[in-house]
Amino acid sequence: SQKIEQNSEALNIQEGKTATLTCNYTNYSPAYLQWYRQDPGRGPVFLLLIRENEKEKRKERLKVTFDTTLKQSLFHITASQPADSATYLCALEKAGTALIFGKGTTLSVSS
Amino acid sequence: DAGVIQSPRHEVTEMGQEVTLRCKPISGHDYLFWYRQTMMRGLELLIYFNNNVPIDDSGMPEDRFSAKMPNASFSTLKIQPSEPRDSAVYFCASSPEGSEQFFGPGTRLTVL
Repeated sequence: SQKIEQNSEALNIQEGKTATLTCNYTNYSPAYLQWYRQDPGRGPVFLLLIRENEKEKRKERLKVTFDTTLKQSLFHITASQPADSATYLCALEKAGTALIFGKGTTLSVSS
Repeated sequence: DAGVIQSPRHEVTEMGQEVTLRCKPISGHDYLFWYRQTMMRGLELLIYFNNNVPIDDSGMPEDRFSAKMPNASFSTLKIQPSEPRDSAVYFCASSPEGSEQFFGPGTRLTVL
């Protein structure tokens, strides 16, 4: 069955640094991959979608890469701020519409 | 737009009772998803609908769980009878095209 792993449960960095989160998957070739942000007590919020034929996508301070050979996506937040502290979820497309979510990485940015 | 609306926000019930969770998707969205989130298992898809029709219910844990979408603006997830292991946060999400999903605030269910 498909398996998705976000390699660290928690990541602590200093304000201004670049945060890099990793998402690895096995036993599948998704057509696209998504990243969501979740704050405590709230539902996930969509950030970015990247398709299998795209190597990289950017949105403001966010950048996502998608390496279908390595079966890996990297999520970068540049010039991180304390307000970026949250849990970030990686999600793989399954059968065109449904998503399989990773368990998330909790990012803490200290000032 | 008010976003996805879920009710109740919190539900505490006793084992064996019936629980009904409700969701109003964003108007115009053709897809509706029900998820369950726990610390142990993360966010799991239970079932999703396209144009009110259930498409994939393979994530529904067992026959105690059922979901309906009688019209484009309303869906329910029912658990009967409830068990302590059903305690979790249940999210409803909707999507216009089946890609980007918009999540509701969730219902925190506690079964004693």
